[in-house]
Amino acid sequence: GESVGLHLPTLSVQEGDNSIINCAYSNSASDYFIWYKQESGKGPQFIIDIRSNMDKRQGQRVTVLLNKTVKHLSLQIAATQPGDSAVYFCAENSAGSARQLTFGSGTQLTVLP
Amino acid sequence: EPEVTQTPSHQVTQMGQEVILRCVPISNHLYFYWYRQILGQKVEFLVSFYNNEISEKSEIFDDQFSVERPDGSNFTLKIRSTKLEDSAMYFCASRERVVNQPQHFGDGTRLSIL
Repeated sequence: GESVGLHLPTLSVQEGDNSIINCAYSNSASDYFIWYKQESGKGPQFIIDIRSNMDKRQGQRVTVLLNKTVKHLSLQIAATQPGDSAVYFCAENSAGSARQLTFGSGTQLTVLP
Repeated sequence: EPEVTQTPSHQVTQMGQEVILRCVPISNHLYFYWYRQILGQKVEFLVSFYNNEISEKSEIFDDQFSVERPDGSNFTLKIRSTKLEDSAMYFCASRERVVNQPQHFGDGTRLSIL
């Protein structure tokens, strides 16, 4: 079946460096993607989204890149801070009428002092 | 900033008992969802709710599950006869009516079945 998956389960970066978290998706019909951050004991927190008619979108310290040719999504975090330590999930909207989300497996980002 | 709120934060229940998880979605949102996350695993879709009826449900959402919007603010998930494998974090989410808007999640209810 169709699925959304992540390349790496863990990522450690030095404070101040840039982080790149990757995601592969397999549903070529996906047209909307979201990155969520999940801290321990909390729910997924919206970070940034991108529609399939775009290949790049920037937010505050975050950038999402979408490559539809290879069905790849990435999240770039600039100047990573200790507060960025969390699990990051990519998610895609399904084609269902309510547009429920299909989540990837998550990447644990650890920011080292 | 408006947020989705869920109660209780932790629910401990004996196997076979009924449990009701409660959610207050963001007030101007029209689509409501329940997801679950088994410890260490990814978030899985259970059910979506729009215009006072279920619009989509996953195979996880069997006859033991039901959802209700009893009034203008609450959205509930009921599990009629809990099983050990129902132990998980349950997240409620909501979004605006406009297509391709993000879903906003609550902080979840940790359900522990003994």
